[in-house]
Amino acid sequence: GAGVSQTPSNKVTEKGKYVELRCDPISGHTALYWYRQSLGQGPEFLIYFQGTGAADDSGLPNDRFFAVRPEGSVSTLKIQRTERGDSAVYLCASSPQGNYGYTFGSGTRLTVV
Amino acid sequence: LAKTTQPISMDSYEGQEVNITCSHNNIATNDYITWYQQFPSQGPRFIIQGYKTKVTNEVASLFIPADRKSSTLSLPRVSLSDTAVYYCLVGDSFSFQGAQKLVFGQGTRLTINP
Repeated sequence: GAGVSQTPSNKVTEKGKYVELRCDPISGHTALYWYRQSLGQGPEFLIYFQGTGAADDSGLPNDRFFAVRPEGSVSTLKIQRTERGDSAVYLCASSPQGNYGYTFGSGTRLTVV
Repeated sequence: LAKTTQPISMDSYEGQEVNITCSHNNIATNDYITWYQQFPSQGPRFIIQGYKTKVTNEVASLFIPADRKSSTLSLPRVSLSDTAVYYCLVGDSFSFQGAQKLVFGQGTRLTINP
């Protein structure tokens, strides 16, 4: 596609539920990132994929958070047993590594009630 | 990655030139300075990048003094649509080529008034 696509754009879930957030990167981009942005703050790094593998998952806050990219394209961020503190905008970005072109999607706004 | 400090917020008026300064006292020799812009309900967008002196593109200018411990993003003749949050980031070329994570601060919330 023309840009990074994230679905859904908004998600409201109850505390304790499981959620999946999807990211479709720009076709051909090998690098894919997930960030989390709380209100009034800058984006905070969660995890970075190079191809299918997670090259850096040091930003995942705890083991309730997990992300996959099985075919090196679409990625899914999975959050188990959601808590109210997980409420934030989750941003995905992709890049054709080796060139400038870090492109962010518009994010998924997650609200845990 | 070097830490950056920038004003939390700024206000200006349509048609004015806006300068946002960022401090990065611990910048390393290999580090570049990059600015991103973020509109509400959108992800950050690359504006400009530089290493030293002055860089200009169709959107903005970036001024970097010789000691590189600060930088100034200059937006000429702003309009209402320039209202956004502006982030200053510092990192080596690998960071901005998508080989490493980006580290964002709080950014500067710029409001342009009629």
